[in-house]
Amino acid sequence: QSALTQPRSVSGSPGQSVTISCTGTSSDVGGYNYVSWYQQHPGKAPKLMIYDVSKRPSGVPDRFSGSKSGNTASLTISGLQAEDEADYYCCSYAGSYTSVFGTGTKVTVL
Amino acid sequence: QLQLQESGPGLVKPSETLSLTCTVSGGSISSSSYYWGWIRQPPGKGLEWIGSIYYSGSTYYNPSLKSRVTISVDTSKNQFSLKLSSVTAADTAVYYCASRPAGLPPLYYFDYWGQGTLVTVSS
Repeated sequence: QSALTQPRSVSGSPGQSVTISCTGTSSDVGGYNYVSWYQQHPGKAPKLMIYDVSKRPSGVPDRFSGSKSGNTASLTISGLQAEDEADYYCCSYAGSYTSVFGTGTKVTVL
Repeated sequence: QLQLQESGPGLVKPSETLSLTCTVSGGSISSSSYYWGWIRQPPGKGLEWIGSIYYSGSTYYNPSLKSRVTISVDTSKNQFSLKLSSVTAADTAVYYCASRPAGLPPLYYFDYWGQGTLVTVSS
């Protein structure tokens, strides 16, 4: 069970869009529609932003959207805002009732 | 809504057993609506799923940690616990407890998290 691969960092100016990729295998990301995304500010617990690939929990702005193609899932932040600067982690079901997280991506708002 | 709070020693010696407890409030740990899990994060690194437990006692562990991990539930105290044996410096991390909704079709995301507790492995 290897960690899902994410870019180390992405950046964008306020108002722009950024996309974070999350690459796994057919045994995790590609095999199930159970990808979730978490936002983590420094020193804080992760916060659920997206679940089941593209669903948003109540209270999460619609600027956050998720998608999946094959073994790669993506999180897009549209209309980037200063408060979006944080670390983001993807997570996927990996079979046999197990989960695997991604390596994490730091989003910087320029 | 659920609230989770981790507790336990902040310092553990190498080769000993790390023990943490998560106290759940705002809901019953005996509810069939949730799985209860542990996730850790070494300083400056990413998240790692450790394992989960259902109120019935069914447990599910990360294969890479399975030989050293035990997760249990204490329904009388509305708590669940983590034990990690034979720890080394590599087990130094912030440990989070979290809830995962149960349902059909299955739900695989963590919606409520504790604040996390740092455990350092050092002599």
